[in-house]
Amino acid sequence: KNQVEQSPQSLIILEGKNCTLQCNYTVSPFSNLRWYKQDTGRGPVSLTIMTFSENTKSNGRYTATLDADTKQSSLHITASQLSDSASYICVVSDRGSTLGRLYFGRGTQLTVWP
Amino acid sequence: EADIYQTPRYLVIGTGKKITLECSQTMGHDKMYWYQQDPGMELHLIHYSYGVNSTEKGDLSSESTVSRIRTEHFPLTLESARPSHTSQYLCASSAPDRRGANVLTFGAGSRLTVL
Repeated sequence: KNQVEQSPQSLIILEGKNCTLQCNYTVSPFSNLRWYKQDTGRGPVSLTIMTFSENTKSNGRYTATLDADTKQSSLHITASQLSDSASYICVVSDRGSTLGRLYFGRGTQLTVWP
Repeated sequence: EADIYQTPRYLVIGTGKKITLECSQTMGHDKMYWYQQDPGMELHLIHYSYGVNSTEKGDLSSESTVSRIRTEHFPLTLESARPSHTSQYLCASSAPDRRGANVLTFGAGSRLTVL
């Protein structure tokens, strides 16, 4: 069964600290993996997208890694800011159709405290 | 900022009412989607469209219907709302990036509460 599991479910850190969010997936055949940031009451916004051949991708203070062999990805946030408080969603796409079916994780709720 | 707009952002209605959630995008994307999201849960695809006059049901069964008469417009309608329809509804559109990956752009969402 194709699934995307994220951990931890929630995380609280102090402003300025770093953190790492995890994503494990069983989706096959794999096409790409995306990380989205979703602020409360808003739609998700894309942070990074990685294909099979990419093992790291950065977007400012956000760095995503991908290990396609172990089917794991992580999102590392450096020098956290209050505005980083949000849900971070891992999404994996398969290659089974023209549409590229998407499998969503439940997200990690990150709270950054001053 | 994403060029995909949803209205209303918030809606509280009584059981049995008919509602339409509007979604418009100005990016010229052919593919559009409706997702349903409950607190702490993953997004579930309820409808999608490949282009004008194309609509398909998604993975999650929904009593809602959609139409795609124009490329930029993809409204969702509930003929008779029930409390079980209370949820967040997210509209999205997509186009392939330079590597062919289908990249979604989401609207801000419509929060529906049915009393």
